[in-house]
Amino acid sequence: GEDVEQSLFLSVREGDSSVINCTYTDSSSTYLYWYKQEPGAGLQLLTYIFSNMDMKQDQRLTVLLNKKDKHLSLRIADTQTGDSAIYFCAESGDYGQNFVFGPGTRLSVLP
Amino acid sequence: NAGVTQTPKFQVLKTGQSMTLQCAQDMNHNSMYWYRQDPGMGLRLIYYSASEGTTDKGEVPNGYNVSRLNKREFSLRLESAAPSQTSVYFCASSEGGWRGYNEQFFGPGTRLTVL
Repeated sequence: GEDVEQSLFLSVREGDSSVINCTYTDSSSTYLYWYKQEPGAGLQLLTYIFSNMDMKQDQRLTVLLNKKDKHLSLRIADTQTGDSAIYFCAESGDYGQNFVFGPGTRLSVLP
Repeated sequence: NAGVTQTPKFQVLKTGQSMTLQCAQDMNHNSMYWYRQDPGMGLRLIYYSASEGTTDKGEVPNGYNVSRLNKREFSLRLESAAPSQTSVYFCASSEGGWRGYNEQFFGPGTRLTVL
């Protein structure tokens, strides 16, 4: 079945850029998403990219998609302590119910 | 709008006890979902309801039942709780539709411990 993989931990210094990587196996993925989970809370959608796009930028966030390698990344520019959270990569196919999440990357931002 | 609400926030059960987790959404969404979150495993789909009156199994349905009571409410029942069901449970909803973009909105979660 479909699988989504992420490294589990990332530490960066405040003000640096963070890059969170994700690989997926389902070549029919149509949409790829990044969700953020703050401590004790549910997940919130950060951004998403359609599979026919290579890049999407939204303020400090840049999403890059390499469809050939099935690789997705999320870059956060000028990382702040408020960005400390768990970031989940997720993918869905043409049929939106086939929604698969990665294990999440815990981002720690050091002062 | 409250979005997606879940009750209770915390629960401790003994092995063999039963309980129902409640979920409600006020966004007029068609689709609702139950996930469990375990460390290092991301979110795994237990059951979903694509529309009122329908429910389907997800990746890990064993030991659970669900009821889509109406368009707003989707409950998850543990008939005989086991320690392996200790987890954080999230309810989510989305506009649904079978094709395309499908942003899911999540509740705050229920932290369940089974002793």
